[in-house]
This record gives sequence, structure tokens and C-alpha cells, in this order.
Amino acid sequence: EDKVVQSPLSLVVHEGDTVTLNCSYEVTNFRSLLWYKQEKKAPTFLFMLTSSGIEKKSGRLSSILDKKELSSILNITATQTGDSAIYLCAVEKGTGGFKTIFGAGTRLFVKA
Amino acid sequence: DAEITQSPRHKITETGRQVTLACHQTWNHNNMFWYRQDLGHGLRLIHYSYGVQDTNKGEVSDGYSVSRSNTEDLPLTLESAASSQTSVYFCASSEPAGELFFGEGSRLTVL
Repeated sequence: EDKVVQSPLSLVVHEGDTVTLNCSYEVTNFRSLLWYKQEKKAPTFLFMLTSSGIEKKSGRLSSILDKKELSSILNITATQTGDSAIYLCAVEKGTGGFKTIFGAGTRLFVKA
Repeated sequence: DAEITQSPRHKITETGRQVTLACHQTWNHNNMFWYRQDLGHGLRLIHYSYGVQDTNKGEVSDGYSVSRSNTEDLPLTLESAASSQTSVYFCASSEPAGELFFGEGSRLTVL
């Protein structure tokens, strides 16, 4: 059975801290791993990772995929209160048609 | 700008009633998906479609159905609503092997 597991499930930090969110997966026909951020409403796309060892970066956020370990991390440096959200890891799978399977999410709260 | 819209945004219904949640996208994407989101479970896939007249079951499809008669719409029907179907429902669309674009969600309460 395909599964995507995120840890920790929740995290409370202070502004300025650096956080690392973890995602591991076991799926057949892996194509890519994606990270989304969900605030009050719909998830919004952060990164898509397809190749091992290549870091994707956007401002204070970065992510890397390890296909040997079947895992990915999402780093957030110098956290701000606006980073408070649920961070969802997802894996896209398939050969031909594709579908996306999500982990349960990590709920991050950044205290001022 | 292209978008994906869901309606209604909030609905309260009674056990046993039929409910339809609408999803309309103007991205011209062939792929469309319905997810439900519950605490502790993340987003779980209900049904998905790769194009007109194509529908597929996801991991939690029991009690739900979809139909795809055009590219823009994928309505989700609960044939006989149950309290276990109280949830937030998200519709999404994508290019093949691309990231998902989500609607704003529909909060359904079944009493």
C-alpha cells in the first residue's frame, strides 16, 4: 500500500528559529515529490522535486530529495509568524496517468 | 486569470440526503481530482479524472461518485450522506505530471 509519512505532526518554534520538516514515502511508480503550504484555505504549491540531491530554494525555504532513502526534507530558516501553516508533503505516482498522494501534514506554529 | 471554483463553500445537510458539490476550472486542465481533508489524515483522494468521460476511484471512494461530461467540470455526488462524510472537500486540477491547483474548499456537515 502506498504511503507518505510526515514528521513531526506538529511543531512550535520562536521567530528566527530554523526548522526541518521530514517526509518519507513508499509508493510504486514514483514520479515526483511535492511540498505544499496550507494556511487557512487551499494548499499552495511550494516545490516539486524529481532528482535526488538537487536542492530547490525559494527565499528562506529549501527542499531536497533523497531517492535512495525515499525521503525529503523541507527547511525554513529565520522563521516568521507568517510561516505558521500546515506543510503537506505529497508524492506523484503513475505511468501514463498520474495521481498525487498526501501525507498527514506538519502543523507549524511560529511564536512572535 | 484562470481559476478553479467550488460551490457551495459551506453546506449543512441531513443523513440520507443526496448532495452534489460542484467544481469548475478554467485552466483547461485534463486532470481533475477530489480530496477530502480530515484532522490527522491530510488529504485523501476520493475520485479523479484524466479527461472527458474518464473517472477513477481513489482510496476513499465508497459513498461518492463523479461524472465528467466536459473539461471544465467534475461534480462530486454523495448519494446518501452519512455523518462520516462530514469533512472539508477540495477539488484540484493539474497538467499531466504537474502541481495541483486547488479550489477554496467546500465544508460539508452531515447531521
